[in-house]
Order: sequence, then C-alpha cells, then structure tokens
Amino acid sequence: QKEVEQNSGPLSVPEGAIASLNCTYSDRGSQSFFWYRQYSGKSPELIMSIYSNGDKEDGRFTAQLNKASQYVSLLIRDSQPSDSATYLCAVNLNAGFQKLVFGTGTRLLVSP
Amino acid sequence: ETGVTQSPTHLIKTRGQQVTLRCSSQSGHNTVSWYQQALGQGPQFIFQYYREEENGRGNFPPRFSGLQFPNYSSELNVNALELDDSALYLCASSFPGQGAQGYTFGSGTRLTVV
Repeated sequence: QKEVEQNSGPLSVPEGAIASLNCTYSDRGSQSFFWYRQYSGKSPELIMSIYSNGDKEDGRFTAQLNKASQYVSLLIRDSQPSDSATYLCAVNLNAGFQKLVFGTGTRLLVSP
Repeated sequence: ETGVTQSPTHLIKTRGQQVTLRCSSQSGHNTVSWYQQALGQGPQFIFQYYREEENGRGNFPPRFSGLQFPNYSSELNVNALELDDSALYLCASSFPGQGAQGYTFGSGTRLTVV
C-alpha cells in the first residue's frame, strides 16, 4: 500500500463547477496535511494546509480532513480554466525530521 | 517569487557522468530539503540538511550526496548518472519545525540523462 494515494485523473469539470479532489494516507501518526498545485513544467506551489479534523476554507478552496478515515480532500468552488493543473496531496509523517510524502497527483481539467 | 533559487534550470548529462545542482536558501532558513520528481510522479524525499549536517535521508542510494554551506546554501551531487535519474529536482528551505507548515519549493532543476 502506498503511503499517500490519489486518483491520477484526469478529473474534468466545467467552468464554474465544484472540483473535488481526494487523498488517502496510510500512517495514522501523520500530523500535517498539504495540498500543492503544480502547473506543467513548474514547481509545486503550496495552496492549503490542514492539521485538525474538519474543514478549512481559504477563498475558493476548502480542505477537509478526517483522521479516523485517513482521508483528506480539496474542494475548489467556482472552478476556473486557470485552475487546470496537477494537485498533489502531501503528508508530513510523524518522523524526527521534516519529511513530506507526496501522492502522485490528480490532474484537473476545467473546460470553459 | 519564492526566495529559494536553484541553478541551473535545465541540464543535460550523459549516463555515467556526475552532476552538481545548487540551491540558495531563503534568507534566515537553516534547513534545506531536496526532492526528486520523476515525470508523472509526486516529489520524493532525497535528504535534508540542518546546520551543515544531514539529518534525514530517503530511499536513495549513496551516489546521491549533498552539502550545506555556512550561508545555508546547498548542493546536491549525483554520481554515476543513470537514465532513471532524469527528473525535476526541487529544493525547499525552512526553519526547524516550519516544515510542518509546508515547504516553499524553488523553481527546480530539470535534469535529463541521455
């Protein structure tokens, strides 16, 4: 079992719709959870972090965490074509040093 | 801009050669982490340096090595390059403990091994 799993997609949504991206992780001791956005040929950009169960909202983005189910999700409201990118889920394992474990990413396509 | 700069941006090397990639940390950050991102994959942790010492390493062979300098800039060295080393190499700098808040990556170095 991979430490962090994501559906590779592509996930296609029309402009203005809600895009829902999902991620599961295997280590119950994981403490911090992140969503990165990566445009083709560019480096990952941090867009959301979440540390406790529940929802965290930032503009059009909402991160949801359920530690009991070992599940993290990202909702993008009012999706725009500029949101088309690969979204990487990352988990900070409960290690003695800072180490992020990434999923393979979900490719999101928002059509005009 | 992230404040973390990497050089070069692109590099082409031949199998068996050696390569050095460089990373300048964001001002005041004394921890630097290196990641390898192969095409279609998520970044994978290579190692981390804190105050010039390696303090964590991922599942990479010893031919991947690093250095951190007193000004906290860093190098990633890869010896005996293999075709599978072709990837985007990312560095991220942070304060100790800040990594739990999520890294800011540099723009990366795209290495192609032919």
